[in-house]
Amino acid sequence: GAVVSQHPSRVICKSGTSVKIECRSLDFQATTMFWYRQFPKQSLMLMATSNEGSKATYEQGVEKDKFLINHASLTLSTLTVTSAHPEDSSFYICSATETPDTEAFFGQGTRLTVV
Amino acid sequence: GQQVMQIPQYQHVQEGEDFTTYCNSSTTLSNIQWYKQRPGGHPVFLIQLVKSGEVKKQKRLTFQFGEAKKNSSLHITATQTTDVGTYFCAGNFNKFYFGSGTKLNVKP
Repeated sequence: GAVVSQHPSRVICKSGTSVKIECRSLDFQATTMFWYRQFPKQSLMLMATSNEGSKATYEQGVEKDKFLINHASLTLSTLTVTSAHPEDSSFYICSATETPDTEAFFGQGTRLTVV
Repeated sequence: GQQVMQIPQYQHVQEGEDFTTYCNSSTTLSNIQWYKQRPGGHPVFLIQLVKSGEVKKQKRLTFQFGEAKKNSSLHITATQTTDVGTYFCAGNFNKFYFGSGTKLNVKP
């Protein structure tokens, strides 16, 4: 199947710093990418939807100024956690689809720990 | 936002027993997808259901989509220890919202 690469897989950062997570579709053009957050033993919570070349659409309760999403090309979307705090520690995972109704391919996820 | 309810939250079965997880939406879905996440891993796509009343099978796994396209189920026949993991449905409301997942534990 198609491959979505997410980097880094793990990151530890100090409180107050920013962290960028990259999500790349390696063998298809992803018109839409989704960013999820997963707390331990919980489901994936949709944070935002990004479409290439346009502003991301954030879910209710997600701070767009804190979680900056950029989808500058058909193969790359980035999530930047700005001014990270310990409560931002979580597993972040992206998925990408070629069209809205097709299978979503997931990245490997990023384990963020803010100390 | 849109919600997809999934039950049960946990299921412990003896190897060889059957297992079923259910998803329900209050609104009609365009389609529904099912994923499996092994402990420590990321979700892996299993199948997509699109048509009303659709039934698809993958070896011991049977997936159903309700007539009203508001509910779906995943049934595993004669579970094996390799079936351990969390099974998620994801309902398509022009974007995918995941159910809460059902964690399956299979005792050998």
